[in-house]
Amino acid sequence: AQSVAQPEDQVNVAEGNPLTVKCTYSVSGNPYLFWYVQYPNRGLQFLLKYITGDNLVKGSYGFEAEFNKSQTSFHLKKPSALVSDSALYFCAVSRGGYSSASKIIFGSGTRLSIRP
Amino acid sequence: DAGVIQSPRHEVTEMGQEVTLRCKPISGHNSLFWYRQTMMRGLELLIYFNNNVPIDDSGMPEDRFSAKMPNASFSTLKIQPSEPRDSAVYFCASSLGAQGAYEQYFGPGTRLTVT
Repeated sequence: AQSVAQPEDQVNVAEGNPLTVKCTYSVSGNPYLFWYVQYPNRGLQFLLKYITGDNLVKGSYGFEAEFNKSQTSFHLKKPSALVSDSALYFCAVSRGGYSSASKIIFGSGTRLSIRP
Repeated sequence: DAGVIQSPRHEVTEMGQEVTLRCKPISGHNSLFWYRQTMMRGLELLIYFNNNVPIDDSGMPEDRFSAKMPNASFSTLKIQPSEPRDSAVYFCASSLGAQGAYEQYFGPGTRLTVT
């Protein structure tokens, strides 16, 4: 069975500073990894994903994530935070495929707060 | 594309009443998901359809919940009878293919309040 952990409930960063939102995972086989963002009163919005290939994945709004197989991590990063980045961020993992065994599992979410 | 469409956006009902939530996935997507989000439990997958067939309903809380997908462009989630603990935001999402391999596109959600 797969699992995903977001160890920080909240991350606070000053505008202009780099930000990191942490995610670790556990899955048998090769993982499929995703980051989503949720703004208030909205549905989740896809940011980026890792399936295979380059360990550094670039996504929407200047975000990127680094896949680290040895540390089973997929941390979300951005070089310079904006106040508009303040939102709830979810990491998700799956094994791919059509069966219920490949169910996508979402983390508990990390609230990112960027202060001006 | 209009994205995933959900209706109603807000629903307030009394305990014991039947509630029906509706979803129209993105055209061409063959997988559809229903989620429930609460502060206490976070985001929970309720049921997953592929090509209109339910693949995994292990997240459906109990027999009071049922979901259907009569065709590729429409799905419903029904709660009968509703209870206060069903109060949550219910999201529908769709994707191009296999559950784990493709990103999901979420609708705006239906905020359900059961009094």
